[in-house]
Amino acid sequence: SQKIEQNSEALNIQEGKTATLTCNYTNYSPAYLQWYRQDPGRGPVFLLLIRENEKEKRKERLKVTFDTTLKQSLFHITASQPADSATYLCALDGANAGKSTFGDGTTLTVKP
Amino acid sequence: DAGVIQSPRHEVTEMGQEVTLRCKPISGHDYLFWYRQTMMRGLELLIYFNNNVPIDDSGMPEDRFSAKMPNASFSTLKIQPSEPRDSAVYFCASSLSRGNGNTIYFGEGSWLTVV
Repeated sequence: SQKIEQNSEALNIQEGKTATLTCNYTNYSPAYLQWYRQDPGRGPVFLLLIRENEKEKRKERLKVTFDTTLKQSLFHITASQPADSATYLCALDGANAGKSTFGDGTTLTVKP
Repeated sequence: DAGVIQSPRHEVTEMGQEVTLRCKPISGHDYLFWYRQTMMRGLELLIYFNNNVPIDDSGMPEDRFSAKMPNASFSTLKIQPSEPRDSAVYFCASSLSRGNGNTIYFGEGSWLTVV
């Protein structure tokens, strides 16, 4: 069955360091992979989308990589700030499917 | 744009009662999704619509759950009768399919507690 695993439930890092979150999947051939941010009591908010034929995508301090051979995406936040503390979810889309399947998320805490 | 609007934001109800959650998607979006989020199971897709037509309801847990989308600007998720295990946050979301992957816009959620 299809499975999405995000590296750990929680990640604690010091302000200024780079946070790296992992999304691994099995029994899936996604056409797109997305990352969302969710703050407590709020709905997830879209951050970045990367296509299967793209290796890397950047947006300000965010960087996403997508390795379809390893079946893995890495999400990096450089120069992390306490305001980056949140839960980050990865989501996979098929080529023609309208729906996205979400991982369970990793809760990032950036300490000042 | 006001974003996806859900109501009620919070609901506490007794077991056995009917619960109706409402959603107004972003104008122009052709996909609408209902998700449920719990600590144990994460974010689960219950059902989604395309152009008001239900496409996949395989995530609906049982017959007590039903969803409708009578027009492009309104959808409901109904639970009848409700049970304590239905307590969760229910998110409505919408997206515009452009063949580039569906960026999903979520509402703020309806927090349901069944006692």
